[in-house]
Amino acid sequence: DGGITQSPKYLFRKEGQNVTLSCEQNLNHDAMYWYRQDPGQGLRLIYYSQIVNDFQKGDIAEGYSVSREKKESFPLTVTSAQKNPTAFYLCASSIKGPQETQYFGPGTRLLVL
Amino acid sequence: KQEVTQIPAALSVPEGENLVLNCSFTDSAIYNLQWFRQDPGKGLTSLLLIQSSQREQTSGRLNASLDKSSGRSTLYIAASQPGDSATYLCAVPISSGSARQLTFGSGTQLTVLP
Repeated sequence: DGGITQSPKYLFRKEGQNVTLSCEQNLNHDAMYWYRQDPGQGLRLIYYSQIVNDFQKGDIAEGYSVSREKKESFPLTVTSAQKNPTAFYLCASSIKGPQETQYFGPGTRLLVL
Repeated sequence: KQEVTQIPAALSVPEGENLVLNCSFTDSAIYNLQWFRQDPGKGLTSLLLIQSSQREQTSGRLNASLDKSSGRSTLYIAASQPGDSATYLCAVPISSGSARQLTFGSGTQLTVLP
């Protein structure tokens, strides 16, 4: 089955710790995205990548980093510089074309201990 | 900068009622508009995508309309069912090469009462 997987489902971060959220897709999509969702709010773009080894900052990139070494994978690292990391993180992918629907993963909920 | 607003933030209706969810955007130069559904603690599922050249799109009991000139879209749900209970979000893209950055509204939380 084609789709997007995110792991883990829940992640706990200690003060000063970097944590990495995984996102994998087998849809053969070129573009991948990371969004952050806070309670009662819409999604805000953190980073996006159009092709392998290339990525751009979104609206709220500070305190986050990404890599795109493979087409299928787009991991997000939440660094210790992100002072308010508690949120629901969603990964998405899309293919260029007339129907550029973004397909979303199930999400990772990050909590601070 | 594009801003997307959804009103109301929450809506509760009895089963069987027809309902309309609203979405407005500030920059009418959009490529398309999407409606998504989100169940609690889950990812988003795309419901409908309307191209800028279209005025409406239908899928089953769902009908989405787009009026670019007024910066508005509506999602019409016919004969609502308890299974329709979810948060509905609209989003418009900002063109950026082959990757479209989406700007989302904050969503309308719908509860359909049995």
